[in-house]
Amino acid sequence: KNEVEQSPQNLTAQEGEFITINCSYSVGISALHWLQQHPGGGIVSLFMLSSGKKKHGRLIATINIQEKHSSLHITASHPRDSAVYICAVAGNQFYFGTGTSLTVIP
Amino acid sequence: DGGITQSPKYLFRKEGQNVTLSCEQNLNHDAMYWYRQDPGQGLRLIYYSQIVNDFQKGDIAEGYSVSREKKESFPLTVTSAQKNPTAFYLCASSIVLYNEQFFGPGTRLTVL
Repeated sequence: KNEVEQSPQNLTAQEGEFITINCSYSVGISALHWLQQHPGGGIVSLFMLSSGKKKHGRLIATINIQEKHSSLHITASHPRDSAVYICAVAGNQFYFGTGTSLTVIP
Repeated sequence: DGGITQSPKYLFRKEGQNVTLSCEQNLNHDAMYWYRQDPGQGLRLIYYSQIVNDFQKGDIAEGYSVSREKKESFPLTVTSAQKNPTAFYLCASSIVLYNEQFFGPGTRLTVL
């Protein structure tokens, strides 16, 4: 059983589309993280949130603690957004989702 | 420039050999982590350290060892006891345990 489930696993979008990636978790958490992994393998932390909503540029992350669910939205998607997006939750340890592979086509 | 570095980027090893992966950070972070990533799987925690001279096993510590003699450094040794060591290894650090993590660029280890 995976403590963190992401959907979809793979996503292809046209440039300019609005994108949503979902994350559900089953453990108690202190915070939820959204990470971005580019094809070369390096990982960048996008957001850390424990309630509500955060926005950074074209990226928006929301979390609903009662429903144990988070979403990552990308507005006006661009080919440079193509990457794997990973949801991770911090409880008594870190639990990671398997990632959502996003491809944005020009 | 503050950051976290790993070396080497690619590493090849013969079966039966131990190999050490380097991880250095100059972010003044207390916590450091080692993860393994295999295709189609999420990151899996090998070891973590909350503070200098202290470290704890993660989910898949068998066949690995670490040390934390300095705040800046958290090397990982892949021993010959690790049965399937070919993988992508990522080091990360955070200011305190389970806070926002900063990742290194990773080391891709291939056992020949």
